[in-house]
Amino acid sequence: KAGVTQTPRYLIKTRGQQVTLSCSPISGHRSVSWYQQTPGQGLQFLFEYFSETQRNKGNFPGRFSGRQFSNSRSEMNVSTLELGDSALYLCASREGWEGYTFGSGTRLTVV
Amino acid sequence: ELKVEQNPLFLSMQEGKNYTIYCNYSTTSDRLYWYRQDPGKSLESLFVLLSNGAVKQEGRLMASLDTKARLSTLHITAAVHDLSATYFCAVDASGTYKYIFGTGTRLKVLA
Repeated sequence: KAGVTQTPRYLIKTRGQQVTLSCSPISGHRSVSWYQQTPGQGLQFLFEYFSETQRNKGNFPGRFSGRQFSNSRSEMNVSTLELGDSALYLCASREGWEGYTFGSGTRLTVV
Repeated sequence: ELKVEQNPLFLSMQEGKNYTIYCNYSTTSDRLYWYRQDPGKSLESLFVLLSNGAVKQEGRLMASLDTKARLSTLHITAAVHDLSATYFCAVDASGTYKYIFGTGTRLKVLA
């Protein structure tokens, strides 16, 4: 079966710009989570969505937002980009209590 | 705040040796997961532990969960070079829909 697809794979943005990242989960998976991975902070939880509802959010500023559509596809948006937002952004999906399946990630570089 | 700590953070071991990675967490949870991440790659689900006393084995890796002690272990038997990777545990905090990763253990197996 198709895996979790994240687009784009790489992105370079300038400080102050905004960015939208996309995630298509495995068919049938209703739970989608987003993580930020950096060498210094590790894997930080951003949000979790289930059937279009955000069920929880990590400790990130309001510049980070997300949503989930009726087909379970999800997007996350970061506004007013800062240098510190440079990271690998990972999306993962699952159904029930199984382990998450992760996408390949979007590598965001803010210059 | 839910904290998930792993130790050691770095582990360099000889092929053929045994070792254990520990994962401690600070909140009630009956669900713990182990993942592997190779350099430059995304995360791969290894084990899903869904109850106290759960034990799962795959090849040279064995994971166990003690929910009373809030502790999971990942035991490596007779390590081989192919096991070199970063290993993460993750906890599903009961009732919060928050899925928090540990700090990661970078394992290097020397020939």
